[in-house]
Amino acid sequence: EAGVAQSPRYKIIEKRQSVAFWCNPISGHATLYWYQQILGQGPKLLIQFQNNGVVDDSQLPKDRFSAERLKGVDSTLKIQPAKLEDSAVYLCASSLDDQGTEAFFGQGTRLTVV
Amino acid sequence: GEDVEQSLFLSVREGDSSVINCTYTDSSSTYLYWYKQEPGAGLQLLTYIFSNMDMKQDQRLTVLLNKKDKHLSLRIADTQTGDSAIYFCAEGAINTNAGKSTFGDGTTLTVKP
Repeated sequence: EAGVAQSPRYKIIEKRQSVAFWCNPISGHATLYWYQQILGQGPKLLIQFQNNGVVDDSQLPKDRFSAERLKGVDSTLKIQPAKLEDSAVYLCASSLDDQGTEAFFGQGTRLTVV
Repeated sequence: GEDVEQSLFLSVREGDSSVINCTYTDSSSTYLYWYKQEPGAGLQLLTYIFSNMDMKQDQRLTVLLNKKDKHLSLRIADTQTGDSAIYFCAEGAINTNAGKSTFGDGTTLTVKP
């Protein structure tokens, strides 16, 4: 079974530029999450999708971050404009549904904002 | 709000047991998880325990839960160099699932040969 796929693996941009990350969850998984993991810290949930609807985006900085999952499968996370403090690993995870006990994580995209 | 705390570093010798500790504050936590993260990789769920359990054993892993003190520990028996990684404790409240957990900042385990 293929795991959660994310791309790109690495991205370096200048502050005030835009960037987008892509995630393909495990086939059949209805729930998808985006996490931000700053170096030396645990992951922090940014947004949770159930199929193509947003369940929780309370921690998403909506002035600069946006995410979509239009067809209920792949998802993109965008930052516009980026700030230095956005440097982090962005992890995507998926689970079968919103009542399960296991979420599967992708390898993440390491973003460096200079 | 919820808070999960772990010690930052642990160093052990190969073959010894490792014990990684975690404390949490949310008394409504239903599930408590241990994840492993190797360099450049995502998080891998190692094990989890329901809040109505005191102990769970899975091969070399033993999880102990003291719900009164809100203390969780992960014991790795016969620690190997391949166990070197960052270990995250996470908690999830009732009606949530593993993907919506609150994570600690991780304990870096170093296993010396």
